Amino acid sequence: GDSVTQMEGPVTLSEEAFLTINCTYTATGYPSLFWYVQYPGEGLQLLLKATKADDKGSNKGFEATYRKETTSFHLEKGSVQVSDSAVYFCALPYSGGSNYKLTFGKGTLLTVNP
Amino acid sequence: GAGVSQTPSNKVTEKGKYVELRCDPISGHTALYWYRQSLGQGPEFLIYFQGTGAADDSGLPNDRFFAVRPEGSVSTLKIQRTERGDSAVYLCASSPVAGGPQETQYFGPGTRLLVL
Repeated sequence: GDSVTQMEGPVTLSEEAFLTINCTYTATGYPSLFWYVQYPGEGLQLLLKATKADDKGSNKGFEATYRKETTSFHLEKGSVQVSDSAVYFCALPYSGGSNYKLTFGKGTLLTVNP
Repeated sequence: GAGVSQTPSNKVTEKGKYVELRCDPISGHTALYWYRQSLGQGPEFLIYFQGTGAADDSGLPNDRFFAVRPEGSVSTLKIQRTERGDSAVYLCASSPVAGGPQETQYFGPGTRLLVL
């Protein structure tokens, strides 16, 4: 079945460090791919998405490229800030007729220290 | 504009009790979803509404769980005879039109349920 595997955390970085959070998926076809972020005390927010292979999603300095060859959608940011501290979730819709359901990875906790 | 709201934000109950969790979606959104997030896990799908009807309730864990959306807006998730294993954060999301693979789902802050 469809699934998402995320890099396990927690990840602790210093401000201005480079960030990569790995995400690979198993799915039928080429689904849209999403990164959601959950800031402390807040709900899940869509961070970025890519709807087809080779697309790059970007937002708030974060980027992720949809790579069908490696079935990956790794999240990157060149210079993290303390305010980026949050839990990050990779997600994709179920394939076939249930594509309104999202399946999520387990989440990666990022802590950025000043 | 207002986002998805959920009440209560926290709920503590005793094993065996009945609870109701409420979700107010973004105005005009026809699709509504419930997910459950256990500690250290990603959200897991429970149920999807298109308008007033439950289009897919395959994620509900058993018949103690039920959800309604009588007027196509507010939804209530109902849990009977709560068990300690029901403790989790219950998330509600909505999207503008019929759910689909490119639709962005907008999430509420969740209700944290603790069953003692």
